[in-house]
Amino acid sequence: GENVEQHPSTLSVQEGDSAVIKCTYSDSASNYFPWYKQELGKRPQLIIDIRSNVGEKKDQRIAVTLNKTAKHFSLHITETQPEDSAVYFCAASPSGNTGKLIFGQGTTLQVKP
Amino acid sequence: NAGVTQTPKFQVLKTGQSMTLQCAQDMNHEYMSWYRQDPGMGLRLIHYSVGAGITDQGEVPNGYNVSRSTTEDFPLRLLSAAPSQTSVYFCASSLQTKTFFGQGTRLTVV
Repeated sequence: GENVEQHPSTLSVQEGDSAVIKCTYSDSASNYFPWYKQELGKRPQLIIDIRSNVGEKKDQRIAVTLNKTAKHFSLHITETQPEDSAVYFCAASPSGNTGKLIFGQGTTLQVKP
Repeated sequence: NAGVTQTPKFQVLKTGQSMTLQCAQDMNHEYMSWYRQDPGMGLRLIHYSVGAGITDQGEVPNGYNVSRSTTEDFPLRLLSAAPSQTSVYFCASSLQTKTFFGQGTRLTVV
């Protein structure tokens, strides 16, 4: 089955700096890769996603890149702000089933003012 | 439009007790799923459903049962609770691969 590894487990940056979180997946048939942000005590919220036929997607300060050959994808946050502090999860969806997501272990991002 | 609604928000069970976590969605999504979240382990898929009458196991199905009699509802049953099932449980529904989560149920088994 699919396995998703996420690094780093914790990340601390200064406000205004960029943050990068990386994930690798094992199943080459996976075709959908979302990223979720979870604030303390809250539900995970979808912030950006990418499909396997696209190499990069950007939404304001957030971007995701996908390398299908290497089976890894990354989340890039530019001009970080204190409100970006949260736990971020990557996930992969095996082909043909949209209700099934396999998650990485999560990255705790701290943005210092 | 309430989205995905889970009840209860908090629950304490004794070892061996049974209970059902309720989940309902009003978005007419075909796909629904249950995850558990434990510290340092991300979210792990318990069971999922691709439509009414169809369910399948995820990564950690042991100790849990599900059924999907309607599009709207996807309850999760713990038949005999164990301390290892202490966790935060999230129900989710999906449309065209985008998955949305309920607010979660914090379950403690003592």
